[in-house]
Amino acid sequence: DSGVTQTPKHLITATGQRVTLRCSPRSGDLSVYWYQQSLDQGLQFLIQYYNGEERAKGNILERFSAQQFPDLHSELNLSSLELGDSALYFCASSPLAGAGGDTQYFGPGTRLTVL
Amino acid sequence: GQNIDQPTEMTATEGAIVQINCTYQTSGFNGLFWYQQHAGEAPTFLSYNVLDGLEEKGRFSSFLSRSKGYSYLLLKELQMKDSASYLCAAVTMGAGKSTFGDGTTLTVKP
Repeated sequence: DSGVTQTPKHLITATGQRVTLRCSPRSGDLSVYWYQQSLDQGLQFLIQYYNGEERAKGNILERFSAQQFPDLHSELNLSSLELGDSALYFCASSPLAGAGGDTQYFGPGTRLTVL
Repeated sequence: GQNIDQPTEMTATEGAIVQINCTYQTSGFNGLFWYQQHAGEAPTFLSYNVLDGLEEKGRFSSFLSRSKGYSYLLLKELQMKDSASYLCAAVTMGAGKSTFGDGTTLTVKP
């Protein structure tokens, strides 16, 4: 158990819908990262927040957005869902801003299925 | 841009040694992570290399050559439970952005 929690564990929805994925980092960790892992693409970095501010951005679609709240939990919002958005979404947390050997601890993931 | 290459699949025998290679081309390279991921589960941290050389941690060791853009993960005394995907990830300096390779699926056979 990494100490990172994600809800829900599974989510099934329809195309065009909007969903929110939630992540609680390990106690004391200031950074939260979101990743998408689909069968044909491996692990893709989406976005990082550090202490409430956006820190780094990867291949995140405009239909997706995220935020980190004052209590450091984070939410990833996915809208206008398409079939191709079906994937495992992982959240990870790290103690600091992510530079150097700031190890990322991954949550169990949310499996999103878009029908 | 960022580019990470590692073999797609490898097979080895229980008790043997296997080396999983990773080459990278990234701007602002800061260090390289190795993660283990069992099917359907979250990646778990194995090692982080920032300096050239070999770092040993029990049955697992990781090597980095910054000048060659090359790393490897060495697994000794293979066990069946080592069957998993092994991901290398290059970290960009000053930020948390990690670029992951597609992973190497290792199958350990009896």
